Order: sequence, then structure tokens, then C-alpha cells
Amino acid sequence: GDSVTQMEGPVTLSEEAFLTINCTYTATGYPSLFWYVQYPGEGLQLLLKATKADDKGSNKGFEATYRKETTSFHLEKGSVQVSDSAVYFCALRGPGGATNKLIFGTGTLLAVQP
Amino acid sequence: EAQVTQNPRYLITVTGKKLTVTCSQNMNHEYMSWYRQDPGLGLRQIYYSMNVEVTDKGDVPEGYKVSRKEKRNFPLILESPSPNQTSLYFCASRQLASNYGYTFGSGTRLTVV
Repeated sequence: GDSVTQMEGPVTLSEEAFLTINCTYTATGYPSLFWYVQYPGEGLQLLLKATKADDKGSNKGFEATYRKETTSFHLEKGSVQVSDSAVYFCALRGPGGATNKLIFGTGTLLAVQP
Repeated sequence: EAQVTQNPRYLITVTGKKLTVTCSQNMNHEYMSWYRQDPGLGLRQIYYSMNVEVTDKGDVPEGYKVSRKEKRNFPLILESPSPNQTSLYFCASRQLASNYGYTFGSGTRLTVV
């Protein structure tokens, strides 16, 4: 079945460092891909998305590119801030019908130190 | 404000005592779903609903029930909670004919002792 694999955390960075969180997926067809962020004590918020190959999602300085050839959707940010400390989830949703289910990775905790 | 509202935020209960976690959305979304979040496992789908009176099992439905009598509400029912249902629960909704992701509630942290 469809699945998402993301790098294990925690990831600890200093402020202004470059961030990469790896995400790869297994799916039939052409899924939509998402990154969600969960700040401490809160629910999940959509960070960015991409719905077809080579699409780049971006928001709040974060970017991720849908790479069909490597089945990847890595999250990047050029300069992290302390306020970016959160858990990041990569997720996919298969195309159409009953596959409206979001399938999540296990989450990656990011801790940014001043 | 468009939102998904879950109640309660925190709940401690005893084994076997029936409980209901409520979920309500104000966006007229057809699709609603419940997830549980556990360390190292990410989020797993419990039940989902494509519309009023249409519900189906997700990946981990054992021990849970749901109902969808109105479009806006999708309560999660634990008839006889057990300690292995201690978890963080999220309700989510989305518009079916949309490429947007889900809107999530703030979560319910349930502890069964």
C-alpha cells in the first residue's frame, strides 16, 4: 500500500542554519503531497503542498519540490528561526475516490536553538 | 473563522466508561475523518465519512464508533475505552472537490487508566 517515510529526528539546528527534512513516498498513480507542521500543544497546520510532478510548494520560507523520478518531497528552508521549532509531517493523498485518506510519515521534530 | 472544533481538549477516564469526543466544522465540508497520533507511528486514520450517513473504517477502527447525522458534526465514540486507546486524537475535514489539504482540529489528549 501507499506509504511515506521521513527522516527520524530530532533535528537540532542553530538559528539561521539551513534545514532539510527528507521525505520519500511509495504510491500508485500520482498522489498529492503535503507538509504539515504541528507546533507544541496545537493541531496540524498545512504548510505547503504539491499536486503534480515538478510542482514546488512554498510557504513561510519553506519549500519542497515534487520529484516523481526519485519519489521524494524534501522540505527545505534556507535560514531557520527559533519559532520554526515544531514537528513536521510529510503526507500523501492518493488520486480520487476513497483514497481521500491522508497517509502520514512518522513526523520529524525540529528544535532550533538561539 | 473557518475551523474544526474538538471537545474536550483533555480527558482522563477509567477503563470501560463510555465517552464521546465531539467534532464540529463550519466550512460545509463533505469529508471528515478521525486520526490518532502516537509516538513513532505518526497519524493513523480511525474512521472517515464522505457525507451525511456515509461512514467507513480507516486503518485502526477497533474499539471506536462514529456517526454522521449532520454534515457539520462527526463525533468519535469509545464504548468501552481501554488503556491502549490512550492517545492524541485529531478530527479533520476537507472539501471533496478540492486539492487542498485537510483542516485539523486542535486535538484531544485522552488518557485511559
